[in-house]
Amino acid sequence: GQSLEQPSEVTAVEGAIVQINCTYQTSGFYGLSWYQQHDGGAPTFLSYNALDGLEETGRFSSFLSRSDSYGYLLLQELQMKDSASYFCAVSTGRRALTFGSGTRLQVQP
Amino acid sequence: NAGVTQTPKFQVLKTGQSMTLQCAQDMNHEYMSWYRQDPGMGLRLIHYSVGAGITDQGEVPNGYNVSRSTTEDFPLRLLSAAPSQTSVYFCASSSLGQGKDTDTQYFGPGTRLTVL
Repeated sequence: GQSLEQPSEVTAVEGAIVQINCTYQTSGFYGLSWYQQHDGGAPTFLSYNALDGLEETGRFSSFLSRSDSYGYLLLQELQMKDSASYFCAVSTGRRALTFGSGTRLQVQP
Repeated sequence: NAGVTQTPKFQVLKTGQSMTLQCAQDMNHEYMSWYRQDPGMGLRLIHYSVGAGITDQGEVPNGYNVSRSTTEDFPLRLLSAAPSQTSVYFCASSSLGQGKDTDTQYFGPGTRLTVL
């Protein structure tokens, strides 16, 4: 089976940089994705890594180390609207995603 | 494009009742899936489909049925509702490419279901 671990909560101030880590155990691995979910809303796609290294999309970056079964999401220039839950998810070739339990990010003024 | 739509938005059922949650997408995506999300938890896969006529079970399929007669629609049926099925249900779709294409899933707004 698959399992993912990520911190349950992170707090940061506006304008700062925050890193949300994700470690995973899986019997097969195709890629690591990150999704954002605001309270009461649907998850929305943020980033995807299939190979080792850093992917940058605006203020968001995601990193993957396949040898360490580890990845992180980096949010820069934090804004109040970034307060949300962030989920990492692994795909294992079944064309299905296994999600972590989520990290609740609280951005303070 | 409307993207992924789900109906109803809210539903209250009594134990033992059955119902169907509707999901439709207009992006011509081959892959569709149903997840449930319990409070403070991640999403767990219930069932998924890689095309019309093809469905498979996910992590938590018991108590749910699906069918895929068209590319656009992927309804989820609760056979005999139980309080343990109280949850938020999300439908998602994606293309059947490689890597990012498949892993970029587009989610509907969700159905909030309460079983009394």
